[in-house]
Amino acid sequence: DMQMTQSPSSLSASIGDRVTITCRASRDISTYLNWYQQKPGRVPQLLIYGASRLESGVPPRFSATGSGTDFTLIISSLHPEDFATYYCQESYSPPFTFGPGTKVAIK
Amino acid sequence: QVQLVESGGGVVQPGRSLRLSCAASGFSFSSYGLHWIRQPPGRGLEWVAVIWPDGSQKHYADSVKGRFSISRDNSKNTVDLQMNSLGAEDTAIYYCAKDNHNILTGYFGTDYWGKGTLVAVSS
Repeated sequence: DMQMTQSPSSLSASIGDRVTITCRASRDISTYLNWYQQKPGRVPQLLIYGASRLESGVPPRFSATGSGTDFTLIISSLHPEDFATYYCQESYSPPFTFGPGTKVAIK
Repeated sequence: QVQLVESGGGVVQPGRSLRLSCAASGFSFSSYGLHWIRQPPGRGLEWVAVIWPDGSQKHYADSVKGRFSISRDNSKNTVDLQMNSLGAEDTAIYYCAKDNHNILTGYFGTDYWGKGTLVAVSS
């Protein structure tokens, strides 16, 4: 079965910092990779689909790259509302496995 | 606007069954795949199941295969999750989510989620 890993599992950052989160798939998924943001007590929100395509309404400080097995989510300049947990999810073929998440906390 | 409202959660004893339902509105229901995704309290997301827009395909996570069954009624705009042989490991908030599958690219993400319904398996 597909395994999705994320690193780091958590990080501390300051407002304005550039943040990078990586996601790795256990086999080639081309660009079938999604990124979600979940704030405490809230429902997950789709940020990125197709590895790099920004979902409508998502601020452009979010971007993502990658293909094959290695993917990256970048927040160019951290805003207060960006402190949350970020999940990757493969959408290549079912089961559509999620990564374990990366928690972004305030330094 | 798109709305997804889950119902049917509650406390259930191990080994028993429960049926969740999700009522959808605000979009062309029969044009989109529907997913169930769960999240144990304080833990990460786990994808559970998906059903194709016309119901022709259904897929499950290995952890629920053979115990859970997803179905939809395109005349009523509802999607259900029948859960049998429940165990403590099934305790979670269960979310219903719509996908935004693009036929041209094949890409999809789950772009709208319900607020979830809590299932607690306990004796």
